[in-house]
Amino acid sequence: DAEITQSPRHKITETGRQVTLACHQTWNHNNMFWYRQDLGHGLRLIHYSYGVQDTNKGEVSDGYSVSRSNTEDLPLTLESAASSQTSVYFCASSESPRAMDTEAFFGQGTRLTVV
Amino acid sequence: GQQLNQSPQSMFIQEGEDVSMNCTSSSIFNTWLWYKQDPGEGPVLLIALYKAGELTSNGRLTAQFGITRKDSFLNISASIPSDVGIYFCAGTGANSKLTFGKGITLSVRP
Repeated sequence: DAEITQSPRHKITETGRQVTLACHQTWNHNNMFWYRQDLGHGLRLIHYSYGVQDTNKGEVSDGYSVSRSNTEDLPLTLESAASSQTSVYFCASSESPRAMDTEAFFGQGTRLTVV
Repeated sequence: GQQLNQSPQSMFIQEGEDVSMNCTSSSIFNTWLWYKQDPGEGPVLLIALYKAGELTSNGRLTAQFGITRKDSFLNISASIPSDVGIYFCAGTGANSKLTFGKGITLSVRP
């Protein structure tokens, strides 16, 4: 079955380190998204991509970067991890036409703790 | 910017009861989605709505796309313990971006 998987599921890292969270989908969806989920804030969009070589900033993109070298993967990199980036991170994908978000399907999440 | 409002933050109901959740916005949305998130898992899509006035059911769940296009509701009938979780509304508005509400945590007492 097609799916979207995130790895690792849990990660503890130290302040200042570079961290990369992986997201892989087998639906061949053009659109991929990264969100963070924090208590009281719901899901906030970090970065998104509508296709290979396309990346865009979301509402909370500072301190994060993404790259899209193929359809299946959108890794999220924290350049220099900060305690404020302790959160649960969700990757999602959708097949809607370019520049139009509709139904998004989510991975199981990565719980990141920055100490 | 586009914002979706869900309240209250938490709801507590008795098993067997029906529950209704609202999602409102000050701007027009073209798509409304309802998701459920179980503890430790990612959100799962429950219902998608694409036309104003549309009423869609999925088992014990019923959702409607408001006529004004500024609101949507989700009803759960005859609640059971596995209905526990966080319910998010989401929508696509004029900027074509998917916006999420902050979610409502539902607790079901046996």
